[in-house]
Amino acid sequence: QQQVKQSPQSLIVQKGGISIINCAYENTAFDYFPWYQQFPGKGPALLIAIRPDVSEKKEGRFTISFNKSAKQFSLHIMDSQPGDSATYFCAASKNNDMRFGAGTRLTVKP
Amino acid sequence: DAGVTQSPTHLIKTRGQQVTLRCSPISGHKSVSWYQQVLGQGPQFIFQYYEKEERGRGNFPDRFSARQFPNYSSELNVNALLLGDSALYLCASSARNSNYGYTFGSGTRLTVV
Repeated sequence: QQQVKQSPQSLIVQKGGISIINCAYENTAFDYFPWYQQFPGKGPALLIAIRPDVSEKKEGRFTISFNKSAKQFSLHIMDSQPGDSATYFCAASKNNDMRFGAGTRLTVKP
Repeated sequence: DAGVTQSPTHLIKTRGQQVTLRCSPISGHKSVSWYQQVLGQGPQFIFQYYEKEERGRGNFPDRFSARQFPNYSSELNVNALLLGDSALYLCASSARNSNYGYTFGSGTRLTVV
């Protein structure tokens, strides 16, 4: 059922560094690409989202880069902080069906 | 404002039993969706309801069913529980008949023994 492939599975970054998480999708009908952040014991929280008619969206330290022809998108976290340590999920959606990647566990070392 | 609330937070059931999970959406949200998140994986779509009607269904067996009430709260029911049903069950609500701007609850952790 998974149509979204996410990498890497885990990522360790030093404080102040850049965290990069990549996703690839198969279904060209998808028209909404959100990223979610999940802390242990909590549900996923929407971080940032993009539609395929733009190639980049930036909100604070978080940037989505989107490559429609390659069917790939990525999340960049600038100036990573220990508080960013969490599991990150990309997703792709059309109408009422949202498909999630398997997640990336990010650890930011102080 | 209260977010999406789910109950119970944790549940232990025996194989073959039935379970009902509950979700209250954010006030004013008319759409509720259910997801299953197995440990170490991303959430998988089970159902979406809008205005008390089923608007989407994922690839889950008929043992899974759901409904939405006039106050937009929702229940997810799972019959004949299997060990593989052990997971975190997430409810998400949104204002419209779509998954844009989803807000997730903290989930119900179901353990089947």
